[in-house]
Amino acid sequence: GESVGLHLPTLSVQEGDNSIINCAYSNSASDYFIWYKQESGKGPQFIIDIRSNMDKRQGQRVTVLLNKTVKHLSLQIAATQPGDSAVYFCAEKLGGANSKLTFGKGITLSVRP
Amino acid sequence: EPEVTQTPSHQVTQMGQEVILRCVPISNHLYFYWYRQILGQKVEFLVSFYNNEISEKSEIFDDQFSVERPDGSNFTLKIRSTKLEDSAMYFCARNRGQETQYFGPGTRLLVL
Repeated sequence: GESVGLHLPTLSVQEGDNSIINCAYSNSASDYFIWYKQESGKGPQFIIDIRSNMDKRQGQRVTVLLNKTVKHLSLQIAATQPGDSAVYFCAEKLGGANSKLTFGKGITLSVRP
Repeated sequence: EPEVTQTPSHQVTQMGQEVILRCVPISNHLYFYWYRQILGQKVEFLVSFYNNEISEKSEIFDDQFSVERPDGSNFTLKIRSTKLEDSAMYFCARNRGQETQYFGPGTRLLVL
């Protein structure tokens, strides 16, 4: 069945360093992927997304990489800041544009000052 | 600025009671979603709602759950007889006609 999972439960980085958060997905037919940031007590906040016909997409300080060969998704955060501390979720979509999202388990990013 | 607002922000109820969670979109869009997140776990899809009908639902969304747009604006999730395991954060989400789903701040439901 479809599933999305994250390799590591927690990630601790030094402020100013780059962060890389990884995600594995199992459904090769998934056509859309998205990263969310969730701060304590809040709803998931959109960070960046990518369609399956792309390998890389860049935003402001963030980059998402998609490797369909090994079904791997990563989120890179440049110059990590204390405000980046949160739980990060990857999610995938299979089917039409308005189909449900299937989320991974989440990874906690902790930024050391 | 949030895409949707949700009320209440917190709700405590007794097991077996009915609860209604509300979602108010900022602008008028047709596609809405409900997800839930049990404490410390991942976000799980419940149901999607399009043009006043259920479009897709998960196994979690059993007969105890229902959704509707009672006044054409608010979007509600009703749990008829709450169970302890219904305790979770409930998120409403919407899209802007594209694939990206934007989430509300959530309602924290605690069933005692």
